[in-house]
Amino acid sequence: NAGVMQNPRHLVRRRGQEARLRCSPMKGHSHVYWYRQLPEEGLKFMVYLQKENIIDESGMPKERFSAEFPKEGPSILRIQQVVRGDSAAYFCASSPGQGPYPQHFGDGTRLSIL
Amino acid sequence: QKEVEQNSGPLSVPEGAIASLNCTYSDRGSQSFFWYRQYSGKSPELIMFIYSNGDKEDGRFTAQLNKASQYVSLLIRDSQPSDSATYLCAVNPPTASKLTFGTGTRLQVTL
Repeated sequence: NAGVMQNPRHLVRRRGQEARLRCSPMKGHSHVYWYRQLPEEGLKFMVYLQKENIIDESGMPKERFSAEFPKEGPSILRIQQVVRGDSAAYFCASSPGQGPYPQHFGDGTRLSIL
Repeated sequence: QKEVEQNSGPLSVPEGAIASLNCTYSDRGSQSFFWYRQYSGKSPELIMFIYSNGDKEDGRFTAQLNKASQYVSLLIRDSQPSDSATYLCAVNPPTASKLTFGTGTRLQVTL
């Protein structure tokens, strides 16, 4: 499957736990974007990364959220000390370069906080 | 004013008709425009993208862009029940690679 791969598809955490969401970009793509979709709301940009670099994190909450895209392996979106309001669908998208390239989305991770 | 605005719908069209979905954006410097389709509980799927003023056709889909009016639209010809979904308009702000999305228009194609 050469598409954007996200895992897990569903993640359940209790309040105060950590959530780790993973994303492998489409083959040939080196740019990764994370978006969040709250119930009944639109998609909101969170962060844009290239390998080993955060390019734009203007949409990331100031606390508890972090992202990385190491030289080897998938991009990781990490949420520490989760709260009920973190329940959402988290989508990863990838593109082949910086600029106005179409972004292709993965199937998303549905995060539920108990 | 929202950065990207869409009518939330639902827009109801009969099978075989043309569905017209509209989107306006606030940043006049925006360069790239995208339409995504999202079925309930699924991820956004890229349908069309357009960079220049005018029309761009791909099968039953036509994207239209008017930068002077800051307006982009998606026409779906010969609408099918399988086209029933939420259609998201997305815009690249100037000097940024991120996408800014509208809240989407829900399309219902009736038999």
